[in-house]
Amino acid sequence: GEDVEQSLFLSVREGDSSVINCTYTDSSSTYLYWYKQEPGAGLQLLTYIFSNMDMKQDQRLTVLLNKKDKHLSLRIADTQTGDSAIYFCAESIGNQGGKLIFGQGTELSVKP
Amino acid sequence: SAVISQKPSRDICQRGTSLTIQCQVDSQVTMMFWYRQQPGQSLTLIATANQGSEATYESGFVIDKFPISRPNLTFSTLTVSNMSPEDSSIYLCSVMTGGSEKLFFGSGTQLSVL
Repeated sequence: GEDVEQSLFLSVREGDSSVINCTYTDSSSTYLYWYKQEPGAGLQLLTYIFSNMDMKQDQRLTVLLNKKDKHLSLRIADTQTGDSAIYFCAESIGNQGGKLIFGQGTELSVKP
Repeated sequence: SAVISQKPSRDICQRGTSLTIQCQVDSQVTMMFWYRQQPGQSLTLIATANQGSEATYESGFVIDKFPISRPNLTFSTLTVSNMSPEDSSIYLCSVMTGGSEKLFFGSGTQLSVL
């Protein structure tokens, strides 16, 4: 079945770049997503990328997609302490809108 | 984006009881979903809430345990029935607006079952 894998933890220093990686299995996924979850809060949609794109940039966020390797990454430039959170990668199931398979989340810790 | 309100935000319940969670959206949406996030885990889709008809459940979830209503395009409820401690989770409502690939989430309902 479909599966999404992420590393569990990442620690960076304030001002550095963070790169969170994700691999997925469903080659028919139409969209891939990054969500942010702060403690005690719901999920915030950070960004998403259409499967026929290689890259998407939105301010400090850069998403890279390697469809051949089924690899997705999220780069956060100039990481701040407010970026500390859990980041979830998710893939859409084929073209079934709203049905997402989530990774287990990467806990990003930003040290001053 | 859509503004999604979930109630209650948290609850502590006794085993064997049921809890109904409400999800209200500030605009009409085509699709509404319910997800579960077990402690320290990722999110799993429970079901798609269909307006005016029975919900569509994912593998491992059944209507008797998680009855869902969606009487209109802005409101849905999820009931967690005959609760056990294993049902302790965060339950999240999510919506997809028409023609949009964006899936938005409510702030969730944190349920603890004693």
